[in-house]
Amino acid sequence: GENVEQHPSTLSVQEGDSAVIKCTYSDSASNYFPWYKQELGKRPQLIIDIRSNVGEKKDQRIAVTLNKTAKHFSLHITETQPEDSAVYFCAASMRGAQKLVFGQGTRLTINP
Amino acid sequence: DAGVIQSPRHEVTEMGQEVTLRCKPISGHDYLFWYRQTMMRGLELLIYFNNNVPIDDSGMPEDRFSAKMPNASFSTLKIQPSEPRDSAVYFCASSLPAGGPSRSTQYFGPGTRLTVL
Repeated sequence: GENVEQHPSTLSVQEGDSAVIKCTYSDSASNYFPWYKQELGKRPQLIIDIRSNVGEKKDQRIAVTLNKTAKHFSLHITETQPEDSAVYFCAASMRGAQKLVFGQGTRLTINP
Repeated sequence: DAGVIQSPRHEVTEMGQEVTLRCKPISGHDYLFWYRQTMMRGLELLIYFNNNVPIDDSGMPEDRFSAKMPNASFSTLKIQPSEPRDSAVYFCASSLPAGGPSRSTQYFGPGTRLTVL
C-alpha cells in the first residue's frame, strides 16, 4: 500500500521568512496530494491540494510543488506570520480512491 | 451547514468500560472516515464507509474496536473493553465522491478526546 514520509518533523523559522515542508510517496498510482493544517486543539483543515496533472499550485502565500518522477511534493509558505504556527500534514491518495494516507506531520513554529 | 458533528467532545472512562463515539457527517456526503490521532502514531485511518457500507477496516487495531453506520447521517465507533492505550483524539471526517474540483476533500469534525484511566 501507499506510504507517505514527511520531513522535517519540526521546523522553526523567523517571522517573515519562508518555510518548506517535504513529502515523498511510494505508490506511483497516487494522483491527489492535499495538505492539511491543524492548529493546537483544533481539527485538521485543508489548505491546498494538487493533482498529478499539475506541477505547481499557488494560493496567496502558500504553494505546493509536485515532482511525479521523483515521487515527492512540497509545501512552501512565504512571508510567514505567527498564525502560520501549526502542525501541517501532507497526504496522498490513488486515482478513484477516497482513502488518504497521511504523513507524520510537521510542527511549524514562527518566531516573532 | 453545521459541518461534521461529533459527540462527546471529551470522554473520561475507566479501563474495561465500553465507550461509544458518535458522528454526524455533512449532509450529502456519502463517505465517512474514522481516524485516531496520537503523538506517537500520528493520524491513523481506522475505517471508512461509502453509502453506509464499510469499505476498508484494515486500520481497526483489534476486535475491541467496532464501527457502524446505520444510516447516512449517523455513525458510531465503539471500544469494548477500553484500555489505557486507547487514549487518543478520535476524528470523524466526511467527503463527497471522487471527481470534480472538490475531489477527495475530507472535512473533519472537532474530534473526541478520549482518556482511559
